[in-house]
Amino acid sequence: SQQGEEDPQALSIQEGENATMNCSYKTSINNLQWYRQNSGRGLVHLILIRSNEREKHSGRLRVTLDTSKKSSSLLITASRAADTASYFCATVELYQAGTALIFGKGTTLSVSS
Amino acid sequence: DSGVTQTPKHLITATGQRVTLRCSPRSGDLSVYWYQQSLDQGLQFLIQYYNGEERAKGNILERFSAQQFPDLHSELNLSSLELGDSALYFCASSVSGAGTEAFFGQGTRLTVV
Repeated sequence: SQQGEEDPQALSIQEGENATMNCSYKTSINNLQWYRQNSGRGLVHLILIRSNEREKHSGRLRVTLDTSKKSSSLLITASRAADTASYFCATVELYQAGTALIFGKGTTLSVSS
Repeated sequence: DSGVTQTPKHLITATGQRVTLRCSPRSGDLSVYWYQQSLDQGLQFLIQYYNGEERAKGNILERFSAQQFPDLHSELNLSSLELGDSALYFCASSVSGAGTEAFFGQGTRLTVV
């Protein structure tokens, strides 16, 4: 099942501009995570925001969470060519005895110099 | 370096064959997750193991199976391979459940010809 859905699917910007990606999810959450994936490589955790937090910062990253709208956004400020990657939001799905991170299809960000 | 090791990095095999993918989790992590990533399906959760026990099953085909050994490394077995099984297979680990940060390996790229 696909819990999170990112929007837009693709985003192209110039270096120095800000990039905003959105994620919508379906069920209630304890936290939401954002990951980055460089082409064909493993995902890297960026930030985790808990359901009782509205905003969180990490370096040039700013994440917001609106649980009433079941949505989150990731803002990358002053983008660099090295930020070119796919970005995924992930939420936890509960199973009978375990849990798993369920990912959306991602936003592909291209930053040109 | 995430601390999660996956072998092999690349695998090319014929339809109908069986392969085994291996994952060594980050030191101290008890949970191991397997994911399949393809262009059309995105990142699909397959299965979770926690401290040697299967805990959650996602979109894993009956032709696929996994196990986690006492030293916590895990193997994903794919049998009766079909062309559609060509994908990137990722292993991830976390300290406990999916509500914590997950660390991904670099993946095994499987090509079925």
